[in-house]
Amino acid sequence: GAVVSQHPSWVICKSGTSVKIECRSLDFQATTMFWYRQFPKQSLMLMATSNEGSKATYEQGVEKDKFLINHASLTLSTLTVTSAHPEDSSFYICSARDSRTSKSHEQYFGPGTRLTVT
Amino acid sequence: AQSVTQPDIHITVSEGASLELRCNYSYGATPYLFWYVQSPGQGLQLLLKYFSGDTLVQGIKGFEAEFKRSQSSFNLRKPSVHWSDAAEYFCGSSNDYKLSFGAGTTVTVRA
Repeated sequence: GAVVSQHPSWVICKSGTSVKIECRSLDFQATTMFWYRQFPKQSLMLMATSNEGSKATYEQGVEKDKFLINHASLTLSTLTVTSAHPEDSSFYICSARDSRTSKSHEQYFGPGTRLTVT
Repeated sequence: AQSVTQPDIHITVSEGASLELRCNYSYGATPYLFWYVQSPGQGLQLLLKYFSGDTLVQGIKGFEAEFKRSQSSFNLRKPSVHWSDAAEYFCGSSNDYKLSFGAGTTVTVRA
């Protein structure tokens, strides 16, 4: 159980276009999802916390108008990178938390999405 | 604010030898602690976690970790490393349901 999927697994887009990444919890309901960014050979940096039915909370330094997050249902959160530029190229990973269980501090991670902006 | 430190950037170990990865956390109360493993181009897989209780926790793939409050440490160990253990390992600490990760330790396994 506790499977999280991401789609697409990799995407290449042209500079100036927008890209949407989906994060789904497949076998549980996730009231909270998290979006991370990981540069090569580096750790994961939390970008934002996505709460179902409310606005996302962004970490300091993350542009909310550039990284649009929507968490419209208990199993789906989306991250849209708007007007992407080469510096946005990175590995984006989502995670989900099932707050209904006693393991609410656990986060279940998706497989990640590799974004390359040309 | 909480922080997690992994002092070792890269460790090379021979197959069959023991492995220990260090992790130190800084936070007043007992945090929720995790170890994750990441293979190249993949997401994170949970190896083990500590919330409370027995300070020696067993995880998957033969890994274990020991929580030592006096040293603010949560070191990961494996008695005998397999070539498939070559990966990136991240220690994490959760507070207010947000995970903070250490910089990661790259483990290379030599034959």
